[in-house]
Amino acid sequence: QSVLTQPPSVSAAPGQKVTISCSGSSSNIGNNYVSWYQQLPGTAPKLLIYENNKRPSGIPDRFSGSKSGTSATLGITGLQTGDEADYYCGTWDSSLSAGGVVFGGGTKLTVL
Amino acid sequence: QLQLQESGPGLVKPSETLSLTCTVSGGSISSSSYYWGWIRQPPGKGLEWIGSIYYSGSTYYNPSLKSRVTISVDTSKNQFSLKLSSVTAADTAVYYCARHVRAVADNNWFDPWGQGTLVTVSS
Repeated sequence: QSVLTQPPSVSAAPGQKVTISCSGSSSNIGNNYVSWYQQLPGTAPKLLIYENNKRPSGIPDRFSGSKSGTSATLGITGLQTGDEADYYCGTWDSSLSAGGVVFGGGTKLTVL
Repeated sequence: QLQLQESGPGLVKPSETLSLTCTVSGGSISSSSYYWGWIRQPPGKGLEWIGSIYYSGSTYYNPSLKSRVTISVDTSKNQFSLKLSSVTAADTAVYYCARHVRAVADNNWFDPWGQGTLVTVSS
């Protein structure tokens, strides 16, 4: 059971837009920055978004991030078949029980 | 550019200690503002943070693994290492090392990641 809750899967057609949610609490998302990672099949995760909404160099602006309260959202526009991957959110959790970095359970994106 | 590479045995027996090393190239492990972390992923499952270390030796550990985990750093070799004791089949996973950017306490992310190494716990 992950501390952060993500939908197991989402799907959309090529060219369309999709959003992936990440829900937490005041001890994690509510008071800490969120990052997002893309994991293509058989590869290591790659940083997509940091500090809630910033993109590292080389990440296209089709990818965006936002945060409101205790939830965060990853948006992907102009979907391409190459975007099929697992997506994970991550943040710091300040609680005694989970203290440290926590990740969502991951969301599998299918581009139909 | 910065690259990380995990190394270590791919098979560990139950109750023994899993040992992995991450070699950092293209940059110094002693850079300020950066921690160095270990994350694992059981087959078909999600990511789990194990712990992170600063070049000075300061560490953060996942509370659920803390009693079994030791992370150390060797700045002379630009390496950091993971030891996980008393392993069981539940510790079978791909283990990744990554640079842990911890700008301030509430701002953390991992970039880049190593390619990962599969460690299987089996007799």
